[in-house]
Amino acid sequence: AQSVTQPDIHITVSEGASLELRCNYSYGATPYLFWYVQSPGQGLQLLLKYFSGDTLVQGIKGFEAEFKRSQSSFNLRKPSVHWSDAAEYFCAVALSVYNQGGKLIFGQGTELSVKP
Amino acid sequence: DTEVTQTPKHLVMGMTNKKSLKCEQHMGHRAMYWYKQKAKKPPELMFVYSYEKLSINESVPSRFSPECPNSSLLNLHLHALQPEDSALYLCASSRLSMETQYFGPGTRLLVL
Repeated sequence: AQSVTQPDIHITVSEGASLELRCNYSYGATPYLFWYVQSPGQGLQLLLKYFSGDTLVQGIKGFEAEFKRSQSSFNLRKPSVHWSDAAEYFCAVALSVYNQGGKLIFGQGTELSVKP
Repeated sequence: DTEVTQTPKHLVMGMTNKKSLKCEQHMGHRAMYWYKQKAKKPPELMFVYSYEKLSINESVPSRFSPECPNSSLLNLHLHALQPEDSALYLCASSRLSMETQYFGPGTRLLVL
């Protein structure tokens, strides 16, 4: 069955340090992959997406992610974290449902805390 | 512009009330979605509309009734809810299904 795994429930990094959030997916075909960020009580904001082409994708707020087919991974990175990056991060894969369209399968999320 | 708006922001209702949530987008998107999100959990898909027709219903109880009056508007009618239905309800839209979804800010619902 198609699934998305985010192995880290909670990560704490120091402000200015680098960040990597892990995401592994299970999907038979070429996946459409997304990273979203959610601040408390807010909606989800799209950080970046991968559909095809260059496996290193750039997003908003200085984030990037690399698609590695051999490892079934789509890890999110940022070279220098800011206090405002503290939030919940969700990795997702788009799943095609025969004759019905598509839907997103989300990972369980990783909560990022930033210490001064 | 990738804005999806939702009203109201907050809603408190009793178990016998009838209320509606509203979602609107003016991006020309033809797929719209309702999600339910509990605290510290990912969003759970409830319904998908594609070209104003219901295409996916994730076995949601009938006390939730979606409606898509036109391509810009999506409603979620609520009736006889239970306290466990308290959650953040998120709306999203995409140009077509399988494409990038853009989310609204959500409606925080509390059922007493």
